[in-house]
Amino acid sequence: GENVEQHPSTLSVQEGDSAVIKCTYSDSASNYFPWYKQELGKRPQLIIDIRSNVGEKKDQRIAVTLNKTAKHFSLHITETQPEDSAVYFCAASLPPGGADGLTFGKGTHLIIQP
Amino acid sequence: DADVTQTPRNRITKTGKRIMLECSQTKGHDRMYWYRQDPGLGLRLIYYSFDVKDINKGEISDGYSVSRQAQAKFSLSLESAIPNQTALYFCATSDAGGETQYFGPGTRLLVL
Repeated sequence: GENVEQHPSTLSVQEGDSAVIKCTYSDSASNYFPWYKQELGKRPQLIIDIRSNVGEKKDQRIAVTLNKTAKHFSLHITETQPEDSAVYFCAASLPPGGADGLTFGKGTHLIIQP
Repeated sequence: DADVTQTPRNRITKTGKRIMLECSQTKGHDRMYWYRQDPGLGLRLIYYSFDVKDINKGEISDGYSVSRQAQAKFSLSLESAIPNQTALYFCATSDAGGETQYFGPGTRLLVL
């Protein structure tokens, strides 16, 4: 099955700086890569996703890049704000349509220092 | 997402007891999932169902069973609870495309 590794487990950045979280996956057939944000005591919520036919996707201050050859993808958050503090999970799924559900990384606790 | 609900939200039980966690959704999605979240381990898939007649084991199904009573309802049972099943449990749904998943609010379970 798929295996997803996520780094770092904890990331502390100054407010206004950028944050980068990296994930690698093992199965080259995986074709969908979402990122979820989980605030303290809340449920995970999708913030951005990318499919294997796209190299980069951006939505305001967040962006995701995918390198299929190296089997890794990254989340980039620019101009970080206090509300960005949360745990972020990357995930990968195999076709068709996530047949076996999502395989999640172990999460990154992002801390925004004022 | 208010369209996916879980009951109970918190539960304390004793070792050996049978308990059931319930999930309901009004999103009209065919696919439903149960995940377990432990600190530092992320979200791990327990069981998933693509329709009422389709049930599949996930990564960590031992000690758990499920029932898909209707398209909108998917229950997770612990036949004989043990302390290492103490965790936060999430139900999730997705449409037939199966990609974007919508999570319920979670059930915090403590097994003494």
